[in-house]
Amino acid sequence: SQTIHQWPATLVQPVGSPLSLECTVEGTSNPNLYWYRQAAGRGLQLLFYSVGIGQISSEVPQNLSASRPQDRQFILSSKKLLLSDSGFYLCAWSVPRGQHYNEQFFGPGTRLTVL
Amino acid sequence: AQSVSQHNHHVILSEAASLELGCNYSYGGTVNLFWYVQYPGQHLQLLLKYFSGDPLVKGIKGFEAEFIKSKFSFNLRKPSVQWSDTAEYFCAVNPGGSYIPTFGRGTSLIVHP
Repeated sequence: SQTIHQWPATLVQPVGSPLSLECTVEGTSNPNLYWYRQAAGRGLQLLFYSVGIGQISSEVPQNLSASRPQDRQFILSSKKLLLSDSGFYLCAWSVPRGQHYNEQFFGPGTRLTVL
Repeated sequence: AQSVSQHNHHVILSEAASLELGCNYSYGGTVNLFWYVQYPGQHLQLLLKYFSGDPLVKGIKGFEAEFIKSKFSFNLRKPSVQWSDTAEYFCAVNPGGSYIPTFGRGTSLIVHP
């Protein structure tokens, strides 16, 4: 069966520090991968998505970047965190075809607090 | 750009009450429709989905949703809610052929025992 991991679960970082959040998927190959930010009362904001290794599309211009160094690994990064980067970050994957086409499978999330 | 509207941001019900959460979208073509649920402390997970066929879709835990194409709506319903249905509910829409979903802002449901 497929599983998705995110780490760390919680993170407290000072303003101006770098960030690296990691997401890995097991049990599937060539998934579509997504990074979302969830804010209370504002739903899910899609940040980045990827349809393959090294292929990253950005939905919202901001202080963050994403990379996909391996098929089932998706990394969210920042060189210098801002206070406004605080939030709950979710990784998700989907399959491009088949029974579960377009269904999103979400990870447990990372709670980031920037102080 | 397409949008998804969830009209009820906060809903408070007593157990056994009926539930209907509204979802409307703006895309005019073929769509895939989803409802996701996030129980306290748990992952977001799929509640139900519509791709084609019978517009009345049944999901887990007694939930159902009806796709009304003429109204661009996909409302979620449950005839009798339970305390364990307390959660946040998100509607999502993918235009046909697209793997990029648009999510609504979510509805927080609190069910009092």
